[in-house]
Amino acid sequence: AQSVTQLDSQVPVFEEAPVELRCNYSSSVSVYLFWYVQYPNQGLQLLLKYLSGSTLVKGINGFEAEFNKSQTSFHLRKPSVHISDTAEYFCAVSEGTSGTYKYIFGTGTRLKVLA
Amino acid sequence: SAVISQKPSRDICQRGTSLTIQCQVDSQVTMMFWYRQQPGQSLTLIATANQGSEATYESGFVIDKFPISRPNLTFSTLTVSNMSPEDSSIYLCSVEGAVTDTQYFGPGTRLTVL
Repeated sequence: AQSVTQLDSQVPVFEEAPVELRCNYSSSVSVYLFWYVQYPNQGLQLLLKYLSGSTLVKGINGFEAEFNKSQTSFHLRKPSVHISDTAEYFCAVSEGTSGTYKYIFGTGTRLKVLA
Repeated sequence: SAVISQKPSRDICQRGTSLTIQCQVDSQVTMMFWYRQQPGQSLTLIATANQGSEATYESGFVIDKFPISRPNLTFSTLTVSNMSPEDSSIYLCSVEGAVTDTQYFGPGTRLTVL
């Protein structure tokens, strides 16, 4: 069975500093990987996704993530964060078979950007 | 990406009552999904709703408690029946995007059961 682990429940970081939010997954099959952001009192917004191809994926708001198959990881990075990046970030995985839409979500990482 | 709206955005309900949540999409989609996000926790898929067929429920969720309708390709409802305080959660609908295997989420309905 698939699972997703986000080891850090909270990450405080100062404004303009770099940040990495960690995501590890387990699966016996190939996977698709996603990062979503949830701002306070809002729904989820897709940041980026890995379906195939280049393992370095660039998303919105300056975020990027790298798929590492050998380490079964999909860590999210941003070189310089802003106060507005304060939010909850969720990693998700689905089976790497087109048409299989079932997502498994991690428990989330709360990013707190400090002035 | 699709524009998704949900009604109500929030509600406070009494134990034993039922609430129907609506999800409206601005384009036709085949697959719609309903999730629950309990306080401080991640998202759990309740069911998948395809137009023209019965919803498919995940383990731990049953139709009697969470009946779903999907009358057309732009609309779905989720009813939370015979509510208890444990049903207090955010309920989100999502839809498949134009890019296969990608889901887009509505703003959520924040439900509090007293």
